[in-house]
Amino acid sequence: SAVISQKPSRDICQRGTSLTIQCQVDSQVTMMFWYRQQPGQSLTLIATANQGSEATYESGFVIDKFPISRPNLTFSTLTVSNMSPEDSSIYLCSALDRGLNTEAFFGQGTRLTVV
Amino acid sequence: RKEVEQDPGPFNVPEGATVAFNCTYSNSASQSFFWYRQDCRKEPKLLMSVYSSGNEDGRFTAQLNRASQYISLLIRDSKLSDSATYLCVVNQAGKSTFGDGTTLTVKP
Repeated sequence: SAVISQKPSRDICQRGTSLTIQCQVDSQVTMMFWYRQQPGQSLTLIATANQGSEATYESGFVIDKFPISRPNLTFSTLTVSNMSPEDSSIYLCSALDRGLNTEAFFGQGTRLTVV
Repeated sequence: RKEVEQDPGPFNVPEGATVAFNCTYSNSASQSFFWYRQDCRKEPKLLMSVYSSGNEDGRFTAQLNRASQYISLLIRDSKLSDSATYLCVVNQAGKSTFGDGTTLTVKP
């Protein structure tokens, strides 16, 4: 399977600022996603990153708060905007490289703490 | 009701024990099914895919019952290294929905 590099691996940010997380895959993939994992909880899908067009957001997530880019088939970014302590979480990039019904694989995650 | 529900756990078992995890899903249009393993402070990693015909990989056996919308994972001869959180994952059109996970601790 392809390998995902995600950075930064962790950051501590001031409230009101924004952080952009990068996700680089070592091969072209069909789909890329962004997930959030809050402390002690499971993963929640934020959005599907669409190549060359606007991301598709899940209920409860909006573009103004989590703008996403995907300029090509191997790279995506997620920005967490105007951060508050409630945004402290792990953010994970995910991809499918073999089709819609195959397993997803994940980047190492970005551990974000907002103070 | 959550789309994917798992045994809440935690499970604390001795080495060598057999342990079973259960999972149910609500979306009958779900297309593919997986068990992932997540170690503390790490990303989830695929443990195995789940098929209606059953799927075995060494000490691990996974089973899917589409009629009941039920997925299971059986771990035989538990090892200390099996200690982790096990996530039931259901996929539709590429989008994965995760259960809350079941934490397993295997003790000497």
